[in-house]
Amino acid sequence: GAVVSQHPSWVICKSGTSVKIECRSLDFQATTMFWYRQFPKQSLMLMATSNEGSKATYEQGVEKDKFLINHASLTLSTLTVTSAHPEDSSFYICSARAPATGGRSPLHFGNGTRLTVT
Amino acid sequence: DAKTTQPNSMESNEEEPVHLPCNHSTISGTDYIHWYRQLPSQGPEYVIHGLTSNVNNRMASLAIAEDRKSSTLILHRATLRDAAVYYCIREGSNYKLTFGKGTLLTVNP
Repeated sequence: GAVVSQHPSWVICKSGTSVKIECRSLDFQATTMFWYRQFPKQSLMLMATSNEGSKATYEQGVEKDKFLINHASLTLSTLTVTSAHPEDSSFYICSARAPATGGRSPLHFGNGTRLTVT
Repeated sequence: DAKTTQPNSMESNEEEPVHLPCNHSTISGTDYIHWYRQLPSQGPEYVIHGLTSNVNNRMASLAIAEDRKSSTLILHRATLRDAAVYYCIREGSNYKLTFGKGTLLTVNP
């Protein structure tokens, strides 16, 4: 089945530094990937849609200059949290959709990245 | 706005069937219904999805009401590994999945 790999699985960084999270589709090409954020005991919140070869589209309220998204190839999207602060500590999850043979294919999710900003 | 309504929690016994309900009364004709589940500290796992007809796969069955305003995820024999938060999601024409709060399923041994 379609596999989405996310790296790192967890990261601890100091306030003010930047952190990059990678999302790879291992056995399929993905022109679109989605980035979510999940705070403890809450549901997933869609942050942005990553589009291969073009700019990402951000959901309302998500700062594009703080959460930089790059989708340089059909199998890799990266999310960079710039100038991280403790309030950015969260569980970040990416997802991608494998090409559909008919109808609408499901999203496949990575295992998430736990970011802790000290 | 997740646009679906699910019970906050449900409980079942191991090896018994589980029926997880979902209301999506404002669904449009082209919206797909997806179900995902999530274990703590893991990404969501795809369970099943459908448009109009009932669907079956190795994990579960999806029963969609004739008017499409509700659906039910059926786990035929619950195991302890099925304990998770189950999300019912409408996918519209923008291809985005918006998660609601989901149903926390507890499976008793």
